[in-house]
Amino acid sequence: SYVLTQPPSVSVAPGKTARITCGGNNIGSKSVHWYQQKPGQAPVLVIYYDSDRPSGIPERFSGSNSGNTATLTISRVEAGDEADYYCQVWDSSSDWVFGGGTKLTVL
Amino acid sequence: QVQLVQSGAEVKKPGASVKVSCKASGYTFTSYGISWVRQAPGQGLEWMGWISAYNGNTNYAQKLQGRVTMTTDTSTSTAYMELRSLRSDDTAVYYCARGAQLLYNERPFDYWGQGTLVTVSS
Repeated sequence: SYVLTQPPSVSVAPGKTARITCGGNNIGSKSVHWYQQKPGQAPVLVIYYDSDRPSGIPERFSGSNSGNTATLTISRVEAGDEADYYCQVWDSSSDWVFGGGTKLTVL
Repeated sequence: QVQLVQSGAEVKKPGASVKVSCKASGYTFTSYGISWVRQAPGQGLEWMGWISAYNGNTNYAQKLQGRVTMTTDTSTSTAYMELRSLRSDDTAVYYCARGAQLLYNERPFDYWGQGTLVTVSS
């Protein structure tokens, strides 16, 4: 089965850049989606197809995907960005797979 | 606006069944599919399966095969997820999410329901 590996936690000071990675075997050949989940709320799509941004998501959110690592980058981090972030891919042998999630803490 | 509104919280005993509903509005129901995703307390997201609202095709996660059934009622734009033989480790928040109309499509889950807490306890 296909496995996605995320760091459990990432910490960043306000105004700085946060990078959350998602590792998987040849993930660069797959389409990666990213979700933000705040406590007690449903997940929200923030990046889809590696680097596209849904309407309403700030330009501060961006994504990239190459080789064995996909990355969600949040520029000029704000307190309101504090949340759990999940990557997701579709794999022919595992169907939909989520990463374990990364808790972003804004210091 | 697109909305997915789920049924309310449930408390079930081990061995029982639960059926969660997800009523869609604001879009053409049959142009998309619905995936179900669950989240155990303090844990990550787990994909449970998918149903096409277009033709009723389903695809279930291997670990839930035989215990889960997903259906749709196109007359009311509602999707259902039934889970049987409940165990304590099925305690989780269950979400529906809008996805692809057809199988093997990488379309993301762009809208989610608010979640339904299912508690399994004796």
